[in-house]
Amino acid sequence: NAGVTQTPKFRILKIGQSMTLQCTQDMNHNYMYWYRQDPGMGLKLIYYSVGAGITDKGEVPNGYNVSRSTTEDFPLRLELAAPSQTSVYFCASSYVRDEQYFGPGTRLTVT
Amino acid sequence: SQKIEQNSEALNIQEGKTATLTCNYTNYSPAYLQWYRQDPGRGPVFLLLIRENEKEKRKERLKVTFDTTLKQSLFHITASQPADSATYLCALALGAGANNLFFGTGTRLTVIP
Repeated sequence: NAGVTQTPKFRILKIGQSMTLQCTQDMNHNYMYWYRQDPGMGLKLIYYSVGAGITDKGEVPNGYNVSRSTTEDFPLRLELAAPSQTSVYFCASSYVRDEQYFGPGTRLTVT
Repeated sequence: SQKIEQNSEALNIQEGKTATLTCNYTNYSPAYLQWYRQDPGRGPVFLLLIRENEKEKRKERLKVTFDTTLKQSLFHITASQPADSATYLCALALGAGANNLFFGTGTRLTVIP
């Protein structure tokens, strides 16, 4: 099992550009999550999904969108990138609502 | 407001000693608490979960305690090794919703040979 994979690993965006961060898991987990981690701060939940076709906002959803058309994939869309979205983004999944498996992260810089 | 505090940003300890990390919280009533390990440039890795009705959990050299009266969890690594050097995160789950997991900022542990 590859676990949770994320692409790309690094990305530099200009202000106003958009992009999609990809996340795939091969563990058949129902729950999937997107977090951002800023230096010196804890992980903050952006969006989550409890199954295909179901998504909901977390603590910091503004400026982001998600979709969940399959169990495996949970892409995160950034529209009109802003410097405040410079961060490390982690995707995670879990079978039930406990132990979460994290991907390796995407380091995004918006300049 | 709700707050999760991990005792210090960094903790240095001599190899072989027991490392004790603290997670304090205010204005939460967590259903359970988790501890994760994070190495530089990597995603967090789950270590232990302890529920509100459990006092202590062990896994190999790791031990977690949970005191809901003190609103505190202690995370112990016995016989620490340089390979234990990493950042350790506590995370609180508040209730039934999948969005109810809140992370502390982490403690960076360095085990000195």
